Amino acid sequence: KQEVTQIPAALSVPEGENLVLNCSFTDSAIYNLQWFRQDPGKGLTSLLLIQSSQREQTSGRLNASLDKSSGRSTLYIAASQPGDSATYLCAVATGNQFYFGTGTSLTVIP
Amino acid sequence: SAVISQKPSRDICQRGTSLTIQCQVDSQVTMMFWYRQQPGQSLTLIATANQGSEATYESGFVIDKFPISRPNLTFSTLTVSNMSPEDSSIYLCSVPRPGGYTFGSGTRLTVV
Repeated sequence: KQEVTQIPAALSVPEGENLVLNCSFTDSAIYNLQWFRQDPGKGLTSLLLIQSSQREQTSGRLNASLDKSSGRSTLYIAASQPGDSATYLCAVATGNQFYFGTGTSLTVIP
Repeated sequence: SAVISQKPSRDICQRGTSLTIQCQVDSQVTMMFWYRQQPGQSLTLIATANQGSEATYESGFVIDKFPISRPNLTFSTLTVSNMSPEDSSIYLCSVPRPGGYTFGSGTRLTVV
């Protein structure tokens, strides 16, 4: 069974810093990997989707990379802002099954 | 991306009662997924709802506790039956799209 781990569990940074969130998975036979954002008590917002054939995806200040062979993905956030404070989840898709990591709780301090 | 309307957004329920959560999608989809997120935990798949057949439940989830309906290709309901405080969670529906999965806004359930 696929296991997805996210490190760190929590992160606190001053505004303006660049930061990296990590996601690792045990089974490299994935169809895609998706990064989500979750605000407290709310549902999920999709940030970036990387297909298994892709190496990275970019959207604004966000860049996600995928290394299937090593079972790793990173989410890079440039010039962090207080509005980026949220929990970030990665999820890997195998068939129609999604396996979620436990998330990284990010706090950006003004 | 598909737009999903999920209702209710939140509810506080008495133990022993049931709550039905609805998800309406703005386009036809074959599969819909229901997830639970318990406090401090990540998401867990409850079941996959296919139109025209019974839902497929994941280990640890049973139809008597979480009955699902899928009357057509744009709508599904999840019922949380005979609730206990341990059922207090956020419940989300999701559909697969070419650009990834889209999630409903979630239902925050508190059982007292």
